[in-house]
This record gives sequence, structure tokens and C-alpha cells, in this order.
Amino acid sequence: EAGVAQSPRYKIIEKRQSVAFWCNPISGHATLYWYQQILGQGPKLLIQFQNNGVVDDSQLPKDRFSAERLKGVDSTLKIQPAKLEDSAVYLCASSSTWGQGSSYSYNEQFFGPGTRLTVL
Amino acid sequence: AQKVTQAQTEISVVEKEDVTLDCVYETRDTTYYLFWYKQPPSGELVFLIRRNSFDEQNEISGRYSWNFQKSTSSFNFTITASQVVDSAVYFCALRSGNTDKLIFGTGTRLQVFP
Repeated sequence: EAGVAQSPRYKIIEKRQSVAFWCNPISGHATLYWYQQILGQGPKLLIQFQNNGVVDDSQLPKDRFSAERLKGVDSTLKIQPAKLEDSAVYLCASSSTWGQGSSYSYNEQFFGPGTRLTVL
Repeated sequence: AQKVTQAQTEISVVEKEDVTLDCVYETRDTTYYLFWYKQPPSGELVFLIRRNSFDEQNEISGRYSWNFQKSTSSFNFTITASQVVDSAVYFCALRSGNTDKLIFGTGTRLQVFP
């Protein structure tokens, strides 16, 4: 089974430029996550989708970050304009977690290789 | 508040030594899950284990073992007879309440020298 795919693997931009990352989850996984991992820290959740709906974006800096998951499969995360502090690895994860309330079923998150962003 | 603390920033051992990675968590929820992930130099987080708050049985998987103690809010990870391929950053994570969000610790970098 193919894992979570991400591209590009590396990106270097100057501050105030814009950048976009792409993620293709494991086939059939309804839930997709974007995490930000700053050097020396653990990953921090930015946004979670279930199918094409947003479940949690409470830690997404919405003034500059946006994400979408059209058709409930692939997802893109965009930063516009980038700041120096956005330098980090952006990890995408997916899981077969689905449902709400009593029908909720949680399953492990599987991570992609990440995109390392450097903002100069 | 939910929090995961991995006090060991970096550990270095020689091959075949046993090594224990510490993890202490905080949560007010009675139902929660604890995880360990491995992050090799390639960057991908690899799932190792999940434990729920109602199951305090220790678990062994090959050279890996996990010790879950609710009394001390700890979920420690031991690698027996370490190998160079075990070199990586290891993260402990917590999921609690009605959320999927994983709260990660800051990680422990393990270096195993031949």
C-alpha cells in the first residue's frame, strides 16, 4: 500500500513570497492532517479535514495560512505571505478515522516525508 | 491542560546497550491515548505503538518494550540491545478528550554508535 505522498520535499523562498505544499493521502483515508514541525520541537497540528470538511483549524494562522481539500482526497497548504518564523517542516498525515459522536472511529495517523521550508 | 514532556533531549549509547526513553504526560481526561513515533533522518514519522488509558499492561515487541504507569503519568520506551538503525528522534504523543489532535513532546534524539 502506498504511503502518504508530499511535494515538494524542499523549498526555499524569501520572506513575503507565497508557497504551496501538496499532499496525497493513503487511498481510502477520510481524514487528513497538516502539522508544522519547527526545528527541535514536536509537530503541531495546523488543520484537520474529514473528507473535504474542516474539523479543527484552531491553530492555523488564518491571516497567512490557508488549506483546502477539494473532492476529499488531495490537499494543498498555502502560506501567503511567508515570514521567517514559518521556516519548518510541514508534515501531512492521514488516517481512516471517521464519523462523529457515537459512530466515531479513531485510527492511527500515518505521516508523509514532509516538506522542509526555509524562509530567507 | 494537555502536555507531554520528554526531558531527555539527546541520548548516546553504544550498540547492544539497552536504553530507556522517558515520557511524562498531563491530562485531566479519563480517556486518552498515548503514542510513540520514530522519526529517522529521512523525516517521516513512523508509528510504533498506541496505548489507551484503560490498558496498563506493558507491551513487548521484539527489542522494543513500553512501560505505562498511570500512577506516575509516564509511558516509557525501552530498546533492548540497541542497533545503529535505531538512531532517530523519538516522539511521545498524547490524544485525549473528544479530539483527534496529537500533542507531541519535544522528542529525544537517540544516537547509537557502532
